[in-house]
This record gives sequence, structure tokens and C-alpha cells, in this order.
Amino acid sequence: QSALAQPPAASGSPGQSVTISCTGTRNDVGDYNYVSWYQHHPGKAPKLLIYEVKKRPSGVPTRFSGSKSGTTASLTVSGLQAEDEADYYCSSFVGRNNLVVFGGGTKLTVL
Amino acid sequence: QVQLVESGGGLVKPGGSLRLSCAVSGFTLSDFYMNWMRQAPGKGLEWVAKIGSSGTFTKHAESVRGRFTVSRDVAKNLLYLQMDSLRAEDTAVYYCARDADYYYDSFGLLYWGQGALVAVSS
Repeated sequence: QSALAQPPAASGSPGQSVTISCTGTRNDVGDYNYVSWYQHHPGKAPKLLIYEVKKRPSGVPTRFSGSKSGTTASLTVSGLQAEDEADYYCSSFVGRNNLVVFGGGTKLTVL
Repeated sequence: QVQLVESGGGLVKPGGSLRLSCAVSGFTLSDFYMNWMRQAPGKGLEWVAKIGSSGTFTKHAESVRGRFTVSRDVAKNLLYLQMDSLRAEDTAVYYCARDADYYYDSFGLLYWGQGALVAVSS
């Protein structure tokens, strides 16, 4: 299955907001509210930030938020902090074949 | 608390087999969907396989279908990934991960193990 499209890199200064996009198709992001976002620091296990488009697990700061419009999902990180520098991945359920697809990842740099 | 610990990784020759185990604690496998994920060197995350809370539902990524098999032993609190006909491109860190929601598939993986390295090389 084709990967979801994410920008390879994003950046922002401390305190600013950054939005990372995740573009799919009607077979995944467009027709299903099963989009998740993960934060991954190299050498550590990935961390779930958002699932089902906008749900935030307990303990995830409210400055992480998710949304969706059409076939594009977005993760917004508000009030950037140094520790937010990491790789971010989106994923989605694929209805056509009941599988899961990930984006290629976005490296977020805090300037 | 919830813990997941992978084991069974290592170096294997192309065409060989390996079985990964994921020992879980703090919850019951029959209550949650479980997944295997991987990350190849320098690459992004890739979903590999999942098994439903009932144990009867399984799904595998197209890249491993017919070669990898996910299974579990609820009594032993163990999740497995049997990997056969291994290829160089299967070299990766493999993670087991638990779904966020009780009993049904939210497609959000809340708990992860620390990962097990599988290297396929002659």
C-alpha cells in the first residue's frame, strides 16, 4: 500500500506553533477517522500523541492537537519546546484492504 | 503497570527463520488488539501485523504476507511473530505495541516495547 505523504522536515522557534500535514486518499484518511500521530525520539520507543484524528491519550500535553480536512490530516504543536524536536509519523486505517499505512515521517527541528 | 518486552532478535541468514516474542504484563492479551511494527535502518516506521482481541482476527502487511505470522498465547502472556523466508530488507528493529482502547481496534498504539533488532545478512 502507498505511504501517506508527509513533509520531510518542519521547524519552528520555541513558543511558536507548527503544523505537520499528512495526505492520503479516500481509501484511508478521507473516509475513515482512524488517523494517529506518533512522536519518535531516536533510540526510544515511539509515543502515541493523537488517535482517531483528535483524541489525546492521558498524559499527552494539550499543546498537541489533531484535525482532518478531506484527505489531509494535520498535527499542530503549539508552544514549541526544545524537547519537541523529534520525528513525527502519521498513520491511517486503509479501508480497501483493512490494513494500516504510515507516513514517511517529518523531522521537526526546534530552532 | 503495562509493560511489553520483546526478545528473540538476532542475526540470521537470508532465507532463514526467527521467532520474536513479546512478553506483556499489566493487562490481558484477550482484552486488546496487538500489533508488530518495525523500523529499518534510516527508514520510517512500518506496520507489520496485528491480532485482534478475540485472537481469531489477524492481518499482515503486504510486504510480509505469506512469510510472517502473528500469534499469541494468552495463558503465557506472550505475543509472537514467526518470521520465515527472511530477506535483507527485513532487517529492522521490531516493536510490539498495544492498542489504546479496550477490546476494539482504535488503530492508535499506546504502549510499545523497547524493540528487538533483527539483522538478515549472509
